[in-house]
Amino acid sequence: DTEVTQTPKHLVMGMTNKKSLKCEQHMGHRAMYWYKQKAKKPPELMFVYSYEKLSINESVPSRFSPECPNSSLLNLHLHALQPEDSALYLCASSQVWGLNTGELFFGEGSRLTVL
Amino acid sequence: GENVEQHPSTLSVQEGDSAVIKCTYSDSASNYFPWYKQELGKRPQLIIDIRSNVGEKKDQRIAVTLNKTAKHFSLHITETQPEDSAVYFCAASIFTLIQGAQKLVFGQGTRLTINP
Repeated sequence: DTEVTQTPKHLVMGMTNKKSLKCEQHMGHRAMYWYKQKAKKPPELMFVYSYEKLSINESVPSRFSPECPNSSLLNLHLHALQPEDSALYLCASSQVWGLNTGELFFGEGSRLTVL
Repeated sequence: GENVEQHPSTLSVQEGDSAVIKCTYSDSASNYFPWYKQELGKRPQLIIDIRSNVGEKKDQRIAVTLNKTAKHFSLHITETQPEDSAVYFCAASIFTLIQGAQKLVFGQGTRLTINP
């Protein structure tokens, strides 16, 4: 299994809603990532988890709250989002994270629309 | 600084011709340079990567060259086919002092169109 699976594929939420994005991989990778991608732009790193520990937070607003329950799962909890947060949220994994990170395996993404 | 410049932003070539996309980076400590292809509505997927101890790497119709002195690297696609149409992102590893590890910084992307 060389896939990163993300759910839901599409999500529409109001600014007062609380929702979560989920990501799962069964490749035994010990690093997992959240990226945000706006239309016609490159992926922007949000968070890095290494061995289930938050290792990088790229100054992401607190309305985005990541969680790594175990080595296979990564969640992104969303609360009180703004319309400008509408984007494609990509989860990725790699074998490890460190000085020689290597290939990132991306999920298909969750397309979020905030009304 | 954390900066990867990618050119051109759009590229249109005739089927069968070659396509070249160029990137420059600013961090002299960068040592890993992957290229990702993202088809419309799909996930980014690694197509080729190169590490700083190598000057060139080839995989069938795709090749990447790296010039560490000049801090630039390029993607070469030969004998282009319609299925090569996609957005291509270069990336460079940036060393983060605080975490003592690397993260990838992506270029702005090149939309490649192969005309039949």
